[in-house]
Amino acid sequence: DAMVIQNPRYQVTQFGKPVTLSCSQTLNHNVMYWYQQKSSQAPKLLFHYYDKDFNNEADTPDNFQSRRPNTSFCFLDIRSPGLGDAAMYLCATSDRDNGFNEQFFGPGTRLTVL
Amino acid sequence: GENVEQHPSTLSVQEGDSAVIKCTYSDSASNYFPWYKQELGKGPQLIIDIRSNVGEKKDQRIAVTLNKTAKHFSLHITETQPEDSAVYFCAAIPMDSSYKLIFGSGTRLLVRP
Repeated sequence: DAMVIQNPRYQVTQFGKPVTLSCSQTLNHNVMYWYQQKSSQAPKLLFHYYDKDFNNEADTPDNFQSRRPNTSFCFLDIRSPGLGDAAMYLCATSDRDNGFNEQFFGPGTRLTVL
Repeated sequence: GENVEQHPSTLSVQEGDSAVIKCTYSDSASNYFPWYKQELGKGPQLIIDIRSNVGEKKDQRIAVTLNKTAKHFSLHITETQPEDSAVYFCAAIPMDSSYKLIFGSGTRLLVRP
């Protein structure tokens, strides 16, 4: 089945220790998104890639970076995690070139910062 | 910019009853309105969507209605089942952005057996 896969599902890191979350997709979609979701809140868009073009949201902290080495994979790097970065991180994809707005989400990675 | 308001924040219904969740949006140029279901510890799942050129769409027990004049859209779930219990998010994509989902604040639905 075509899908969006996130690894790991649970990640524990220490305050200030860099961490990388990964996302892969078998949908061959040209757009990949990273969202942060805190408890009882809606997902908040951090940034997205349209093919190789990186698009940052204005209020995304510099502490968050992303890489997309190829169509299938996208990474979220948190350079110096703080306690406030503990959240669920969601990857999503969409097929914008075909005019489709639908975004398909992965299962998420829950990040704990100690 | 677009703003989406969602009500109620929590909804409790008896199994078999209907549930209705309502959203209003501010940008009259918005043209795509998806609904997501999020179960505990999982990612949001697209369950139904509607575009601005359609007034109603139905998929089995789920339906969405859109009133462009009033700028509101609603999710209707009939014959609710305990597995419908989840958080539901509405969203809108404004005309000036082909990608950015503007989410409502979410509704926690509890279906009592």
